[in-house]
Amino acid sequence: KQEVTQIPAALSVPEGENLVLNCSFTDSAIYNLQWFRQDPGKGLTSLLLIQSSQREQTSGRLNASLDKSSGRSTLYIAASQPGDSATYLCAVRNNNAGNMLTFGGGTRLMVKP
Amino acid sequence: SAVISQKPSRDICQRGTSLTIQCQVDSQVTMMFWYRQQPGQSLTLIATANQGSEATYESGFVIDKFPISRPNLTFSTLTVSNMSPEDSSIYLCSVRQNNEKLFFGSGTQLSVL
Repeated sequence: KQEVTQIPAALSVPEGENLVLNCSFTDSAIYNLQWFRQDPGKGLTSLLLIQSSQREQTSGRLNASLDKSSGRSTLYIAASQPGDSATYLCAVRNNNAGNMLTFGGGTRLMVKP
Repeated sequence: SAVISQKPSRDICQRGTSLTIQCQVDSQVTMMFWYRQQPGQSLTLIATANQGSEATYESGFVIDKFPISRPNLTFSTLTVSNMSPEDSSIYLCSVRQNNEKLFFGSGTQLSVL
């Protein structure tokens, strides 16, 4: 059974800092991995999707990497801004799990002005 | 990306009543899903809403408690039946486009008294 862990659970940084959020998974037979952002009490916004054959994806100040063999993904946020404050979730879709996504518990990020 | 409208955005309900949540997508999509996010927890897939046939429920979820309709490729409803305080959660509709990225509605925050 796939298990997804995100560390740290919460993170507070000053504005302008570069930061890395971590996601680890136990079963490396994944189809893809997706990073989401969730604002309090709201739905999820898709940030980046990495296919199992890819190593990284970039969008603006965001860069997500994937090391399937070690069961890890990182989300790098450059030059953080207060507007980046949210919970960041990673979700893994396994090869043999049909439509099921397994979500991590999230990292709650606060960027202080 | 798909635009997903979900309503109501929030509701406060009495124990024993039922609430129907609606999800409307601005384009035809094959795959629609319903997720639950309990307070302080990550997301759990309730079911896949299948157009023209019964929904496919994940382990721990049953049709009597969470009946789902999917009359066409752009619309679905989830009903939370005979509610108890344990049903207090955010319920999220999501769709998958091109068999890849998952997009979410803004969620329905349900509180059961």
